[in-house]
Parts: sequence; structure tokens; C-alpha cells
Amino acid sequence: EAQVTQNPRYLITVTGKKLTVTCSQNMNHEYMSWYRQDPGLGLRQIYYSMNVEVTDKGDVPEGYKVSRKEKRNFPLILESPSPNQTSLYFCASSARFQGDEADTQYFGPGTRLTVL
Amino acid sequence: KQEVTQIPAALSVPEGENLVLNCSFTDSAIYNLQWFRQDPGKGLTSLLLIQSSQREQTSGRLNASLDKSSGRSTLYIAASQPGDSATYLCAVLQGGSEKLVFGKGTKLTVNP
Repeated sequence: EAQVTQNPRYLITVTGKKLTVTCSQNMNHEYMSWYRQDPGLGLRQIYYSMNVEVTDKGDVPEGYKVSRKEKRNFPLILESPSPNQTSLYFCASSARFQGDEADTQYFGPGTRLTVL
Repeated sequence: KQEVTQIPAALSVPEGENLVLNCSFTDSAIYNLQWFRQDPGKGLTSLLLIQSSQREQTSGRLNASLDKSSGRSTLYIAASQPGDSATYLCAVLQGGSEKLVFGKGTKLTVNP
């Protein structure tokens, strides 16, 4: 089954404790991205990646890091989490540049992060 | 900076009604526009994608149109059903940057 998986789905942590949220897709997609969703602010893009070793900042990259060493994986790293990073996080992927329908974005189920 | 606006923020209709959701964007330099559905506490499901060169796309009871020059898109839902209740989001893939910019969504409630 074609899907985007995220782990963990729920996480409660404390300020300053480094954490990684994993994202993996099994569709051989080039384009992957991370978003956070907050009440009243909607979905905002954190980082995106056009291919392996190619990443770029979205609209809210501060406090986050990403890496794309393999095509299927795109982990989101919070080196020193703070309470203002409490949010619902989504990973997504698309085939991009492989035909009109390839641009369709497929989203993971989300990771609810609470930073105390 | 691209801004995407969705009006109305919430909509409540009786079952069976045809309805239109609106999406507007400020920068017409887009690759495509996509409509999504989000159920409470869940991820996003793609409904329709319209490339910048296209005018509309249809899937079942859904029809999405795009007027790139005026910065507008509409999602038409025919014969609404209670199962259509969800938040509907539109997003544009920004030309030149590959950024995906979302509107804040329209929360739709279809009453039996």
C-alpha cells in the first residue's frame, strides 16, 4: 500500500531535549516536505526537499533541521525543542515533475508534539 | 509573499444542497493548486489537483476550477452528504520556489 508513515504519532517531551520525528514514503517520490499545523495559523511549511541531499527552507524553518540522505526518508530534527514548537506536524511527499498527476501531495497521519 | 485565503471559514448546509467553497491567492505565479480534505485529528487527503495550465478538474461529485489570472479557485460539491463534513483546504505550489502555501480552510458541516 502506497503511504507516508510518521513516527512517533504522539510525543511529550521537555524543553531542550533533542528529538527526531521520522518520515518515510514507499512511493519513490522525489519531493518531501514537513508542515506544522496550529489553530488559527493553518498549515505552514517548515522545510522541503526536491531530492536526495537537496533541502530548502519553507516559511517557518527556525528551530528545525532536516536531512535527506535517502530518497524514502526525511527526518525532522528539533535540536533544542521549546514550548512554542508544540504543534501537530505533518510530513508529505509527491512525485513532482513526473506528469500532471504526479504533483499530488500525499500526507502522513501526523505527529502531535507537546513540549513542556 | 504568497497569501492564500479561503472564504467562508465555516459553512453549515442541509443534506442534498449544492455548495461552493472559495480560495483566492495573491501571486498568480503558481505551478498548481490542490484541494484537500481533513477530518478532525487526521491527516490530509488530496481531492483534486489543477495544474496552472488547466481550468478545471472533476472527480465524482466534486468539481474544482482555477482562474490563475484572477487568483481564484472554487470547489463545487454537488448533492452534499453528511459524510462530506470536514475541513477543506486549498494549497498552491509556488512557482520558482517549490513552496506549498495553504489557506486556513473552510469547515463544512452537512446536516442530515
